[in-house]
Formats: sequence, structure tokens, C-alpha cells
Amino acid sequence: EDQVTQSPEALRLQEGESSSLNCSYTVSGLRGLFWYRQDPGKGPEFLFTLYSAGEEKEKERLKATLTKKESFLHITAPKPEDSATYLCAVGAQKLVFGQGTRLTINP
Amino acid sequence: KAGVTQTPRYLIKTRGQQVTLSCSPISGHRSVSWYQQTPGQGLQFLFEYFSETQRNKGNFPGRFSGRQFSNSRSEMNVSTLELGDSALYLCASTSSGVSTDTQYFGPGTRLTVL
Repeated sequence: EDQVTQSPEALRLQEGESSSLNCSYTVSGLRGLFWYRQDPGKGPEFLFTLYSAGEEKEKERLKATLTKKESFLHITAPKPEDSATYLCAVGAQKLVFGQGTRLTINP
Repeated sequence: KAGVTQTPRYLIKTRGQQVTLSCSPISGHRSVSWYQQTPGQGLQFLFEYFSETQRNKGNFPGRFSGRQFSNSRSEMNVSTLELGDSALYLCASTSSGVSTDTQYFGPGTRLTVL
């Protein structure tokens, strides 16, 4: 059975303070690893899909990387508007999600 | 292109009642998945439909059911509601349902069971 563990559960940063979120996964065969951002009371918003170890994708201040056992979401010089819960998921038609990392960026 | 839409956005029901939630996928998308999100369990997969057929099912009791119509719109039904069914119900769609497709989520329906 696929499993996903995200750490830390919560992270508080100052504006401009770079950091990384971790997503460890156990799967029988990786079909895709997905990162989403979720704001309170809203549905998850798609950020990245990674398919194979060594793959990297970037979008504005976010960069996602993938190894055979984990993925990192690096956030560079974050702004208060980057505050959200970041979710990691693996799977195909049936996604298995981690519990998320609640990120707060203080101005 | 319009995103995934879900109706209603909020619902309040009492125990024992039943409820039907609706989801309209992104135009051209044929696969629709449903998820339940609670503070304790996080996001959990309910079921997935493709071309009007249930293709995958999660570990939820039979009180949870769904269907998909020929226009790809989907509904899910929960019968005999329990307090623990209070949650955000999310619908997601993908274009062809190929295993590597990205799922795009709607805003969700917040269900409160009293």
C-alpha cells in the first residue's frame, strides 16, 4: 500500500527566509508524485508533477525535486502570500496524500 | 477554460438523512475522482469514475456511492448520515484518466452533520 509522510507538520518563517518541505513516500511503483497548495476553505491547487528520480521543476519561488524515496519542495525568499498548506501525493487515478505542511510566512 | 465546479458549496444535514453532491469537471475531462478531507484523516480517496463506470474505489462503507453521467458530470451520495461524515468533499478531474494525468480539484462542498 502506498504511503506518504510529510515533514514538518508546521513551519513558520520570516519573509525572505528560504527553507524546504519534505515528502517521504513508499510505493510499489511510482506513477507520479504531485505537489498541491491548499488555502483555508479551498480545494487543492496543482503545483507540480514529478515522474522520475532526478527530475526538478520550478515555478516562481518554488522548486520541487525528486529522489527514489522522497521529494523536496524548496521555497526561496518566500513572501506572506506563500502561506498555505502544501500537500504531497502519489498514485495515479487514486491519489494517496500526506498530512500536509502548514507554512506560515511572517512579514 | 472554466475549472471544476461543485455544488452546493455548503450543506447542513442531520444524522440519518441522505445527501447528494454534484461535480462538473473541466470541459473535455472524462475522469472524475472524489475525496473526503477531515482534520484527523486528511485527504482520503472515495472513488473514481471514467466514461460512466466506477474504475477505482477507496475504503469507505457502502453508504457512500456515486455515479457519472454521459456528459462526465458526477454525483456522490451519502445515505444514513453520521456525525463523522462531516467533512470537505472534493472532486477532481483529469483529461483522459491516463495514470500519469494531473488531477485538478474543485473548491469542495463543506458538509456539516448535526
